[in-house]
Amino acid sequence: AQKITQTQPGMFVQEKEAVTLDCTYDTSDPSYGLFWYKQPSSGEMIFLIYQGSYDQQNATEGRYSLNFQKARKSANLVISASQLGDSAMYFCAMREGPRGYQKVTFGTGTKLQVIP
Amino acid sequence: NAGVTQTPKFRILKIGQSMTLQCAQDMNHNYMYWYRQDPGMGLKLIYYSVGAGITDKGEVPNGYNVSRSTTEDFPLRLELAAPSQTSVYFCASSPTSGGDETQYFGPGTRLLVL
Repeated sequence: AQKITQTQPGMFVQEKEAVTLDCTYDTSDPSYGLFWYKQPSSGEMIFLIYQGSYDQQNATEGRYSLNFQKARKSANLVISASQLGDSAMYFCAMREGPRGYQKVTFGTGTKLQVIP
Repeated sequence: NAGVTQTPKFRILKIGQSMTLQCAQDMNHNYMYWYRQDPGMGLKLIYYSVGAGITDKGEVPNGYNVSRSTTEDFPLRLELAAPSQTSVYFCASSPTSGGDETQYFGPGTRLLVL
């Protein structure tokens, strides 16, 4: 079974609209962390947001929020008020086990295009 | 503040050659990582380190070696380069303090093995 599943290879969103990028994960470890990264066409990797499995509240960072639904094993990224600069590949990733034990798995990514 | 730096930016190797990819960070982070990204794919963890003198294998360590003699530097060594090692290599670091798992990435090294 895939550890991280991103079912949307590509998505379009109108500028200033909100968009949700889906991510589901599979682990039996009670301690894990979930990450989202942005990769623009220039190629660099940009860390966006992190959610720990024991965190009670959904993580937020500016226009990014992580909709963490533990029972459903989903960790969707919500981008509010999309901007043209948000056009990029977005990767979801999971660290299994406590920090310091870095078993990390990435999804295949979602390409987001923001339309003016 | 330079953050995470990687050298070289791009390199072409012949099959069987060796090279070292350099990575340095100036943020006093204990955690450092090496990832590779194959075309159209997400990243795969090669090796990681939780502090100077401590390294461990990630998902795809075969054909690579690392060392961590200082907090700042985390070089990745490729021995006997193979075409399957053609990829983009990213180094990253993150703070030690509990709960902060922000990762800072270098710009990447594009490696082509012919």
